[in-house]
Amino acid sequence: SQTIHQWPATLVQPVGSPLSLECTVEGTSNPNLYWYRQAAGRGLQLLFYSVGIGQISSEVPQNLSASRPQDRQFILSSKKLLLSDSGFYLCALRLTYEQYFGPGTRLTVT
Amino acid sequence: DAKTTQPTSMDCAEGRAANLPCNHSTISGNEYVYWYRQIHSQGPQYIIHGLKNNETNEMASLIITEDRKSSTLILPHATLRDTAVYYCIVSGGSQGNLIFGKGTKLSVKP
Repeated sequence: SQTIHQWPATLVQPVGSPLSLECTVEGTSNPNLYWYRQAAGRGLQLLFYSVGIGQISSEVPQNLSASRPQDRQFILSSKKLLLSDSGFYLCALRLTYEQYFGPGTRLTVT
Repeated sequence: DAKTTQPTSMDCAEGRAANLPCNHSTISGNEYVYWYRQIHSQGPQYIIHGLKNNETNEMASLIITEDRKSSTLILPHATLRDTAVYYCIVSGGSQGNLIFGKGTKLSVKP
């Protein structure tokens, strides 16, 4: 069965600092991968999705970027964090019809 | 924006059936109805999906009206662990992305 690893689990970063969140998957090959963000008290917002290595689609313009250097690795980055980047970041992969979510990274920008 | 409308919150007594409604009056012919839930501080969990026929699995049943403009998720015997936010999502099957709304906060009470 598939497994999603995300790290770190929690992160506190100052405004203006860079960010790198990593997501790796096991138990499947060539999955569609997704990054979501959930701000406090809000619903999930789709940020990026990828259908393969080097293929990234952005859903929301912002100061974040994503990369997929390997089939089972999906990275979310920022050069300079904003306070509004705080939230719960979730990586997900698509099975046949449904999406399977990882444990998430809780980011607090101070 | 989400294509669905759900009540903000609902209560249910432990052991009773929980019936969660969802309106999706603008659903297209090739779009599926998905249900996910999110327990506090965790990633969303897939529950069930359907196109036009009613569906049942080990977690829940999904009843879709004949005109497909609304559906109901049924948890037959709710437990305290079913307390969560339940999201109804309309999406284009294996090719569509998920757009999460605010969902319904279900509180199961002893």
